Parts: sequence; C-alpha cells; structure tokens
Amino acid sequence: DGGITQSPKYLFRKEGQNVTLSCEQNLNHDAMYWYRQDPGQGLRLIYYSQIVNDFQKGDIAEGYSVSREKKESFPLTVTSAQKNPTAFYLCASSTGGETQYFGPGTRLLVL
Amino acid sequence: GENVEQHPSTLSVQEGDSAVIKCTYSDSASNYFPWYKQELGKRPQLIIDIRSNVGEKKDQRIAVTLNKTAKHFSLHITETQPEDSAVYFCAASWDSSYKLIFGSGTRLLVRP
Repeated sequence: DGGITQSPKYLFRKEGQNVTLSCEQNLNHDAMYWYRQDPGQGLRLIYYSQIVNDFQKGDIAEGYSVSREKKESFPLTVTSAQKNPTAFYLCASSTGGETQYFGPGTRLLVL
Repeated sequence: GENVEQHPSTLSVQEGDSAVIKCTYSDSASNYFPWYKQELGKRPQLIIDIRSNVGEKKDQRIAVTLNKTAKHFSLHITETQPEDSAVYFCAASWDSSYKLIFGSGTRLLVRP
C-alpha cells in the first residue's frame, strides 16, 4: 500500500464549492476505487474504475464525480451537490478483483 | 445484491485472551474473503485473506476460517496484545465483480 498516495491530507470546503481529491498509484494496478468513511462507520463505495477511461457508480455516487484518464490516477471531485461531504475519503487500487490496497486518506471538512 | 454482516460491533478482551469476529455473507458466488485492520485515523490494512477453496489459513497469531455451506467466515486472534486494539473489517467478493462488500466493522479493545 506504500505505492498509493492521496493528497491533500486535509481539505476544507466552502459552501457551494467543488473540491478535487487526488489519488495516484505506481503499483501498475488496473482497478481503482473511492470510499467514504464517516466517523465510527464502515466503508461505502463511491465510484470504481476497472480500466482507463471507464468507471462505474458505487453505492453513494450522488454528488461526486470521477475521471480515469491515466492508469495511475483516479481523482475524485466532491461537487456542491454533495450536501454533507464531511468524511474521511479513502482511495484504493487492485489487480483485477484481487486484494485492494488503500491510500492514507484525505479528511474533508466543511467551513 | 451481496450483503456482509459482521458481529460483534465491539469486543473487549483481556490481554492474552483470544478474540473471535464473525461475518456472514449472502451471495454463494463469493470466493474471496479479506480481513482489514484499521487503527484510529489510519488507512485499512490487509492482515489476512482466504479463498473459497481453502477452509482455514493461519499467519502467526491470526487465523481465518471459512464455512462455505453456512456462508460464514471468522477471524481468530490468539494471545491478544494491546497493539491489536483497532477496528477490524471483513469483506467478500467474487472474481468478476471487482467490488469488495465490507462488513460494518468490529472495534476490538485489548485491556492490559
């Protein structure tokens, strides 16, 4: 999991603002994922991508958007339509349907 | 769709005792079952996993057992230590899905 990086570590969002969370991996993994974790809760899948230029909605995609233009990168945009964005966001990657390895996370807070 | 139930939600044990966390899955096509440990404020980290062609797997003080007929799998931690205190998540997936379905997590507290 040391090959997955997320930035920034902390991010502050103002009302009506879109913000983008970065996720990069150098593990040559095909698949990448975004999860949301609320305090004391489990992991909920936002979006995932099996290959470049393709991605699928997870369980809680509303208010979020992604792109997968490069194999190494899978940025997540939290749009103004997401009314309760405060959470810990985790990116993960895997080879096919194998083990997922997580990045260190980004903590998003609303001002 | 697939659902994974995890019990208990919290578990407190004395140092040196064993801890057992149980998960039940709904989709009989599931064939891969990883366990993750998440310390406070950190990323989940894989601690052990098992595939459906194996009934048990051990790694030092950690073991996982799988009962395909009953569709449940368990994490066993022996000789617990304070550093085992964390939240543990089970998950399930099947080959073509690319998706892991996570349990709700178990908060383990090991009392010194």
